[in-house]
Amino acid sequence: ETGVTQTPRHLVMGMTNKKSLKCEQHLGHNAMYWYKQSAKKPLELMFVYNFKEQTENNSVPSRFSPECPNSSHLFLHLHTLQPEDSALYLCASSQDWAQGEVSYEQYFGPGTRLTVT
Amino acid sequence: KNEVEQSPQNLTAQEGEFITINCSYSVGISALHWLQQHPGGGIVSLFMLSSGKKKHGRLIATINIQEKHSSLHITASHPRDSAVYICAVGVIQGAQKLVFGQGTRLTINP
Repeated sequence: ETGVTQTPRHLVMGMTNKKSLKCEQHLGHNAMYWYKQSAKKPLELMFVYNFKEQTENNSVPSRFSPECPNSSHLFLHLHTLQPEDSALYLCASSQDWAQGEVSYEQYFGPGTRLTVT
Repeated sequence: KNEVEQSPQNLTAQEGEFITINCSYSVGISALHWLQQHPGGGIVSLFMLSSGKKKHGRLIATINIQEKHSSLHITASHPRDSAVYICAVGVIQGAQKLVFGQGTRLTINP
């Protein structure tokens, strides 16, 4: 496997279910990201991790719970979601950073299309 | 008003035409990214630039920091260029926090 992979690619879940999205990167990066892309809205950053530490939580509701056990893996745990949470969830990775002023190219996974019924 | 605005939102052209997509932003940035998203969702980074101009094949990206404006050009456009093109900026404080434009849907007809 190369690049950034995400599983599952499609997920349908009820509002009372608990599920997890998985992201894995094979690029040797130490920074990982979760993004949400809703229909007809710009991509939104959800979480950022740098060396397994969360550096950004973009006011995401607590029904989304990220986990970064190591620099290669990132999870998004989902529980009691709402229909408006239906969207494409994208994971990305990049080079790590020591200071916040430098921007690095991000490499995206194919996304998980989530439907909440 | 969004911090990152793209124009046009939709663009249809004939194969071979020269394409320009514009991006304006209102915040201080460390870099500007151009991304390509094909149907199905996958996103590919095309360019990351903080000044001047970059070229890759038929794609050219320019940025004017003083005017807070960037353009993406496609020369000799081809139907396989049909995709959504997204502009994103890395803000100065928290450069990894990308703020995205709404995207430009480009369709190239044969």
